[in-house]
Amino acid sequence: DIQMTQSPSSLTASVGDKVTIICRASQNIDGRLSWFQQKSGMAPKLLVYAASTLRNEVPSRFSGGGSGTSFTLTITSLQPEDFATYFCHQSHSAPYTFGQGTKLEIK
Amino acid sequence: QVQLVQSGAEVKKPGASVQVSCKASGYAFTNYGISWVRQAPGQGLEWMGWIDSYNGNVNYAQKFLGRILVTKDRSSDTIHMELRGLKSDDTAVYFCARLVWGYYYMDVWGTGTTVSVSS
Repeated sequence: DIQMTQSPSSLTASVGDKVTIICRASQNIDGRLSWFQQKSGMAPKLLVYAASTLRNEVPSRFSGGGSGTSFTLTITSLQPEDFATYFCHQSHSAPYTFGQGTKLEIK
Repeated sequence: QVQLVQSGAEVKKPGASVQVSCKASGYAFTNYGISWVRQAPGQGLEWMGWIDSYNGNVNYAQKFLGRILVTKDRSSDTIHMELRGLKSDDTAVYFCARLVWGYYYMDVWGTGTTVSVSS
């Protein structure tokens, strides 16, 4: 199985800050990497797919990058609604696996 | 709009089976797949498998082989997921999600179904 390692596991930041979450795969996943945002009690919401393609309705302050085994999700100018848990997900090889999550909390 | 509406919460005893349904609307059902993902209380996300809504081909995580069955009903644009031999650690919220072929990403998620397994 491909292991997905996210860092940090938690992050405290202020409104207006820029944050970056890192996701590393245990092998090359050919860009088959998605990022999701999940708020408490809700279903995950897709933010980025194919490593760097922003879903249409997602604000441009979100961006994804990386290739091979190392990927990033960056949020510039944090807004109050961005405080949530973020997961990366690989769909290169079954079983498709998720990172353990990064909980973004307000300072 | 694209929607995936799931069936209601279930409470089961260990050893029982549960079936969770996922009704799709607002898009061409057979052009996409459906994945199943679960989330135990306070835990991360776990991919269980997917089904091709067009031809019924499935791909299950090895962990669930022999216990999971995902089927499609094209007459009602509904996908059913059955999990057998329930254990207490199957207690989780189960999500269906629309699967986009090519990059195999999940773009629209269902409402979630809570399954509780307890004696």
